[in-house]
Amino acid sequence: RKEVEQDPGPFNVPEGATVAFNCTYSNSASQSFFWYRQDCRKEPKLLMSVYSSGNEDGRFTAQLNRASQYISLLIRDSKLSDSATYLCVVNVGSSASKIIFGSGTRLSIRP
Amino acid sequence: DAGVTQSPTHLIKTRGQQVTLRCSPKSGHDTVSWYQQALGQGPQFIFQYYEEEERQRGNFPDRFSGHQFPNYSSELNVNALWLGDSALYLCASSLESGGTYEQYFGPGTRLTVT
Repeated sequence: RKEVEQDPGPFNVPEGATVAFNCTYSNSASQSFFWYRQDCRKEPKLLMSVYSSGNEDGRFTAQLNRASQYISLLIRDSKLSDSATYLCVVNVGSSASKIIFGSGTRLSIRP
Repeated sequence: DAGVTQSPTHLIKTRGQQVTLRCSPKSGHDTVSWYQQALGQGPQFIFQYYEEEERQRGNFPDRFSGHQFPNYSSELNVNALWLGDSALYLCASSLESGGTYEQYFGPGTRLTVT
C-alpha cells in the first residue's frame, strides 16, 4: 500500500462546478498535511496547508480527518485556471525530514 | 524576495556520466530537500540537508549524493547515470524553525539521459 494515495483522475468538470478530491495516508503518526498545485511541466506550488480544524482560502477548503486518515480539498465555483494536477502531501516526521507526495489528481475545467 | 532557484534548467547526459545540479534556497530558508519526479508521478524524496548535513534519505542508491554549503545552497550529484535517471529534479527549501514545514520549490532541472 502506498503511503499517500490519490485518485489519479482525470476529473473533467464544467466551469463553475464544485469539485472535491480525497487523499488517504497510511501512517497514523503523520504530523503535517498540505495541498500543492502543479501545472504541466512546472514546479509544484503550495496551495494550502491543512489544519486539524479545517481551513478555507477563498474558493478552496481543506479538511483533515485523522480518525479515517484522509484529507480533502474542495474547490467551489471552479475556473478554467484551476486546471492543474493537485498533489496531496503528508509529513510523516516531526520535522521537515520526510515529506511524502501523492501521485496527484489531474483536474481539467471545461468552458 | 528571491525564490528558490535551480541550475541548469535542462541537461542532456549520456549513460555512465556524472551530473551536478545546483539549488539556492528561498531567502531566509535553511533546509533544502531534493526530489525526483518522473513523468506522471508525484515527486519522490531523495534526501534533505540541514546544517550542512544529510538529515534524511529516501529510497535512492548511493549514486545519488549531495552537499549543502554554509550559505544554505545545495548540490545534487548523480554518478554512473542510468537511462532511468531521466526525470525532473526539484529542489525545495523550507525553514526548520518555522514550524509549518511548508516547502517552496524551484523550477527544476530536467535531466535527460541517453
